[in-house]
Amino acid sequence: AQSVTQLDSQVPVFEEAPVELRCNYSSSVSVYLFWYVQYPNQGLQLLLKYLSGSTLVESINGFEAEFNKSQTSFHLRKPSVHISDTAEYFCAVSVPNTGGFKTIFGAGTRLFVKA
Amino acid sequence: NAGVTQTPKFQVLKTGQSMTLQCAQDMNHEYMSWYRQDPGMGLRLIHYSVGAGITDQGEVPNGYNVSRSTTEDFPLRLLSAAPSQTSVYFCASSYGTGVNGYTFGSGTRLTVV
Repeated sequence: AQSVTQLDSQVPVFEEAPVELRCNYSSSVSVYLFWYVQYPNQGLQLLLKYLSGSTLVESINGFEAEFNKSQTSFHLRKPSVHISDTAEYFCAVSVPNTGGFKTIFGAGTRLFVKA
Repeated sequence: NAGVTQTPKFQVLKTGQSMTLQCAQDMNHEYMSWYRQDPGMGLRLIHYSVGAGITDQGEVPNGYNVSRSTTEDFPLRLLSAAPSQTSVYFCASSYGTGVNGYTFGSGTRLTVV
C-alpha cells in the first residue's frame, strides 16, 4: 500500500534562515508528487509538483523540491524564509488507481518562522 | 473566477441531525472530491466523483452520502451527525483525476455536539 510520511510535525526557524521540510513516500509504482501550503483558516494551495523530467522543481515564491527516486523522497527547501511563509505544508503523492489516480496526503508539517 | 466555493464556512450540529455541505466549481473540472482534515492526520478522502452521475467511496465514507447531478456541484450529506464527524471539510476539484494537482475550497468547519 502507498503511504506518505512527513518526518517533522513542526519546524520552527528564524527569519532569513534556510529550511527543509522532509517527505518520504512508499509506492511500488511510479508516482506524481506534490507540495501544498495551507495558510491559517484557508484551503490548501498547490505549491509545486513533480510529474516527470527534471527532478528539481521550483515554485514562484522561492521554494524548491527535489525528487529522489532511490530514496523515495521529495523534500521541500527554501534558502531564506520570511515571516509570511508561516503555514502548514502538506506533501502528497498520486498513484494509479481504478478509474484514474488516487492522491494520498501526508499529515502535514507546521512551519513557524520567528523574527 | 470563483474557483471552488464551499458553504457554509461554519456549522454546529446536534448529534443525530442531518445537513448538506455545498460545493460548487466554475472551472469545468471533471474530478471533484471531499476530504476531511483532522489534527495530525492530514487529509482523508471521503468520496469522489470523476464526472456527472459517477461517484465512488474514498477511505472514510461511512456516515456520508454524495451525488453529482451536474459538473459544477458536488454536495456532501451527513445523514445522522455524530461527534466523530467534527472536523474541517474541504472540497477539491481538478482537471483529470488529480495528476495535475487540486484546487481546494476554503473549507467548512463542522462541530457536532
